[in-house]
Amino acid sequence: QVQLQESGPGLVKPSQTLSLTCTVSGGSISSGSYYWSWIRQPAGKGLEWIGRIYTSGSTNYNPSLKSRVTISVDTSKNQFSLKLSSVTAADTAVYYCASSHTGSSSWGVFDPWGQGTLVTVSS
Amino acid sequence: DIQMTQSPSSLSASVGDRVTITCQASQDISNYLNWYQQKPGKAPKLLIYDASNLETGVPSRFSGSGSGTDFTFTISSLQPEDIATYYCQQYDNLPPGFGQGTRLEIK
Repeated sequence: QVQLQESGPGLVKPSQTLSLTCTVSGGSISSGSYYWSWIRQPAGKGLEWIGRIYTSGSTNYNPSLKSRVTISVDTSKNQFSLKLSSVTAADTAVYYCASSHTGSSSWGVFDPWGQGTLVTVSS
Repeated sequence: DIQMTQSPSSLSASVGDRVTITCQASQDISNYLNWYQQKPGKAPKLLIYDASNLETGVPSRFSGSGSGTDFTFTISSLQPEDIATYYCQQYDNLPPGFGQGTRLEIK
C-alpha cells in the first residue's frame, strides 16, 4: 500500500518560493500507474488542486496557479516536489500530496493522501 | 472550470438519523464524482468514487448516487464517528474541483 509524506519549511517569507517534497513509500514512483498531485487547503476553507506529474515528467497545473507552479519528480529518491513562487499570505495553507491511478476513469480519484503540512507565509 | 455546489454547508443531526448531502455540477460530469470525509486535523479520506462505488473498507451506511449534474451522498444511520466535513469532487475535466464542503455535527 502506497504511503505519502510531505516535508518542507513551515514558514516562508512573502515574495519567496515555497518548496515542498512528497516522499513515496510502499511502491515505486516510477511504476507508471500513478499520477502524483498536490492539493492545498487554507485554514477553515475548501480544497484546491494545484497540479500533478506523471513518471515521465509530464505535468498539468491548475490555470489559477499555473504561472507560479512547478512540479517535478526525482525517481532516484522516490519523491516528487512542489515549488510555488512569489508567495503571499493567500498561499498560507495545509499542503497535501496525493496519488491517483492513470486510468481514464480513475485519474481523478485521490487515494491515498499524505498527512499534510502547514505552510505559513509571513515575514 | 466546472463549479461544484454542495448543500447544505452545515448540518446538525442526531445519532441514528438518515443524512443526505447534495452536490450539483455546473455541467454534465457523467459519473466522475467522488465523496471524501475529512476529520479535523486529518487528510481527506475517499469514501465513494465514481458517484456510487463504495471504497474498500468503508462502512455500508455510506452511499452515493446520481449522474450528470446532480449527485447525492447519504449516511443511512448517523454514528458519532461520522462527525466530519464532507466534500464532493469532480474529475470530468482538468482541473479537478471540489465542492465547498458540508460540516456535519451531532445534535
